[in-house]
Amino acid sequence: EADIYQTPRYLVIGTGKKITLECSQTMGHDKMYWYQQDPGMELHLIHYSYGVNSTEKGDLSSESTVSRIRTEHFPLTLESARPSHTSQYLCASSEWGGGPDEQYFGPGTRLTVT
Amino acid sequence: AQSVAQPEDQVNVAEGNPLTVKCTYSVSGNPYLFWYVQYPNRGLQFLLKYITGDNLVKGSYGFEAEFNKSQTSFHLKKPSALVSDSALYFCAVRDDNAGNMLTFGGGTRLMVKP
Repeated sequence: EADIYQTPRYLVIGTGKKITLECSQTMGHDKMYWYQQDPGMELHLIHYSYGVNSTEKGDLSSESTVSRIRTEHFPLTLESARPSHTSQYLCASSEWGGGPDEQYFGPGTRLTVT
Repeated sequence: AQSVAQPEDQVNVAEGNPLTVKCTYSVSGNPYLFWYVQYPNRGLQFLLKYITGDNLVKGSYGFEAEFNKSQTSFHLKKPSALVSDSALYFCAVRDDNAGNMLTFGGGTRLMVKP
């Protein structure tokens, strides 16, 4: 089992609330990622980071923001949650290397915005 | 650009029978190919990867995958399915020119019936 953690695992929140999804890894990985997984199962990369103070937007446009102040921590924030944000959010990390290192995934946060 | 396709939304197989989950890819450079499995309410778990060398790659839980360059495929296989193999399976590809960004397929739900 990979050492990557996400909290909360489940969150039900009302429209307009600000939320932060936490992601931490203890593997010392430089690269971290956030994916959004829709009900149809497909995964979409929404944010990634190559290291401290590095953040980039992914393939899918998202109203969320991320920060990377510490190597092990990569939180995702929604300033004002909307029902369209209802989804599963998966955090992942990988080593920085020249090879194709696999990504390790956290258990996910299932967000429901009412 | 890189892309990956999983043509089957669901695969049904009887326990003890061989299983195949299909994956085809498109990259401009050389492909790095991955299979992940997702159990209910869990994150993705790495199964196996192809980088170079032997076209038949063996992974966790008795799974294997065959890289076929001419058909641009990387099908996942197992000689004898177990009910506990029932899960979502994701194929992913990274072009060796594309940093460490993975592109995931849409996922295939495997149902193994007793």
